[in-house]
Amino acid sequence: DIVMTQTPLSLSVTPGQPASISCKSSQSLLRSDGKTYLYWYLQKPGQPPQLLIYEISNRFSGVPDRFSGSGSGTDFTLKISRVETEDVGVYYCMQSIQLPLTFGQGTKVEIE
Amino acid sequence: EVQLVASGGGLIQPGGSLRLSCAASGFTVSNNYMKWVRQAPGKGLEWVSLIYSGGGTYYADSVKGRFTISRDNSKNTLYLQMNSLRAEDTAVYYCSRSPDRWGQGTLVTVSS
Repeated sequence: DIVMTQTPLSLSVTPGQPASISCKSSQSLLRSDGKTYLYWYLQKPGQPPQLLIYEISNRFSGVPDRFSGSGSGTDFTLKISRVETEDVGVYYCMQSIQLPLTFGQGTKVEIE
Repeated sequence: EVQLVASGGGLIQPGGSLRLSCAASGFTVSNNYMKWVRQAPGKGLEWVSLIYSGGGTYYADSVKGRFTISRDNSKNTLYLQMNSLRAEDTAVYYCSRSPDRWGQGTLVTVSS
């Protein structure tokens, strides 16, 4: 199974300040079709997860441009350029290159 | 508008069975890669099962032989038949159109 390791596990951020979350996979997520099957989700309190970023760096429809994804191979980063109060919740990375699908442990983002 | 509405959860005794349903609207279930993901109370996300558009089905080792994923094309609905339920199956179960849409979840509690 591919292990997804997120750091940090919690983050307290002042509104307007940047935030960054790392996700490392135990195997490369690059497939022969040239795509890298790495996704970022945000689960706000009491809600299901919502897709933020797909295939490393593509923002999903309606996702604000303060969210960005980067990385390659086994090393990925989600950045929020200026955190807003509505960004609180738990952020998960997920890989879908191989079954079983696996998620990172989650990073809880709180506002200071 | 794409929507997924999960139902069928509840309190069930160990060894019992439940069938979860996920009614979809705004898209065709049979044309998409659909999955079930669960979240135990206070824990992270765990993939349970998926069904490809071609009909292939896959399961996490923890549920293999006990759970069955299926779909009814005429009702545009995804199902998860859960048998031989255990306390460790207690979770909110989310249906999802991979990778972008999630239903609100339905709570399954396995307890005597």
